This record gives sequence, C-alpha cells and structure tokens, in this order.
Amino acid sequence: EAGVAQSPRYKIIEKRQSVAFWCNPISGHATLYWYQQILGQGPKLLIQFQNNGVVDDSQLPKDRFSAERLKGVDSTLKIQPAKLEDSAVYLCASSLGPAGDPDTQYFGPGTRLTVL
Amino acid sequence: EDQVTQSPEALRLQEGESSSLNCSYTVSGLRGLFWYRQDPGKGPEFLFTLYSAGEEKEKERLKATLTKKESFLHITAPKPEDSATYLCAVQAGNYGQNFVFGPGTRLSVLP
Repeated sequence: EAGVAQSPRYKIIEKRQSVAFWCNPISGHATLYWYQQILGQGPKLLIQFQNNGVVDDSQLPKDRFSAERLKGVDSTLKIQPAKLEDSAVYLCASSLGPAGDPDTQYFGPGTRLTVL
Repeated sequence: EDQVTQSPEALRLQEGESSSLNCSYTVSGLRGLFWYRQDPGKGPEFLFTLYSAGEEKEKERLKATLTKKESFLHITAPKPEDSATYLCAVQAGNYGQNFVFGPGTRLSVLP
C-alpha cells in the first residue's frame, strides 16, 4: 500500500513570497490533515478535511494560509505572503475513517520550508 | 484548553537499560491517546492508540499504558535502533476535532 505522498520535499523562499505544498493521501482515506512542525516542537494541527469539506480550521492563520481538497483526494496548502516565522516542516496525514473517530493517522515525509 | 506535556525532554540510555517516557495531558473529552515515533527528516510513524484508563498495549520492546491523567511508554532492553523522538498526541473535543501533540522526548540509545 502506497503511503502519503508530499511534494516538494524542500523549499526555500524569500519573505513575502508565496508557496504551495501538495499532498496525496492514502487511497480511500476520508480524512486529511495538515500540520505545522517547528523545529524542536510537536506537530500543530492547522486544518482537517473530511472528503472535500473542512472539518476544523480554527488553528489556520487565515490571513495568509489557505488550503483546499478538491474532489476529496489531493490537497494543497498555500502560504501567501510568507513570513520568517513560517519556517517549519509541513506535514500531511490521512486516516481511513470519518473525522472525529480516534483513527490512526498516517503521515507523509513532510515539506521543509525555509523563509529567508 | 487541551494540553499535552512530555518528560523528559531528552533521554540517553545504554543499550539494554530499560526506562519510561511520560506523557501528561489535560483535555476535555478524551477520544484517544496516540504514541508516534519520529526519525530525523521523516514524518511521525504510528505506534499505539489507547482509548481508556487502564488500557495497555505492547509491541516488541515497547509497552504503552494509560491512566486518567497520563500515559507511559515503557522501553525494555532498548537497542540503538530505538533512538528517535517519541511523540504523544491526544484527540479530544465534542466532535473529536481537537488533536494536540506534545513536544516529544528525544531518546538516544548508545551501544
């Protein structure tokens, strides 16, 4: 079974530029999550989708971050414009069951973003 | 507000030296407590899910336990390949919509 795929693996941008990350979850998984992991900290949930609907985005800085999951499969996370404090690893995860179920989340390798 | 703390922040063990990692939590409406392992440059890898106080789960040299306020990850006779960051996470909230990770414990097992 293929795992969660993410691209790019690394990205370096200047502050105020825009960047987008892509995630392809495990086939058949209903729920998709985006996390931000700052160096030395645990992942912080930004947004979760069930199929193509947003379940919770209370932790997403909506003035600069946006995310979508078209057709309930792939998802993109965008930052526009980026700030220095956005430097982090952005992790995508998926789980089989509906949002709210204490289901195992399977994580992708992450995208390491450096904002200069 | 849901909170998760982990201790110690870092732990160095000799190969074969057993120890325990702690995860303390304060949440409203716990749905599940998860343990993950994270190697440098990789995403977290699932280890265990615990649902209620008193529950225990084992896998190879690892054993996870859960009480109403904390969870322990016991490592018996660790090997160098057990070196990693161990993350604890809780799922809570009225609809299970809250996921909170702890900061992790960095474990180093020396040969």
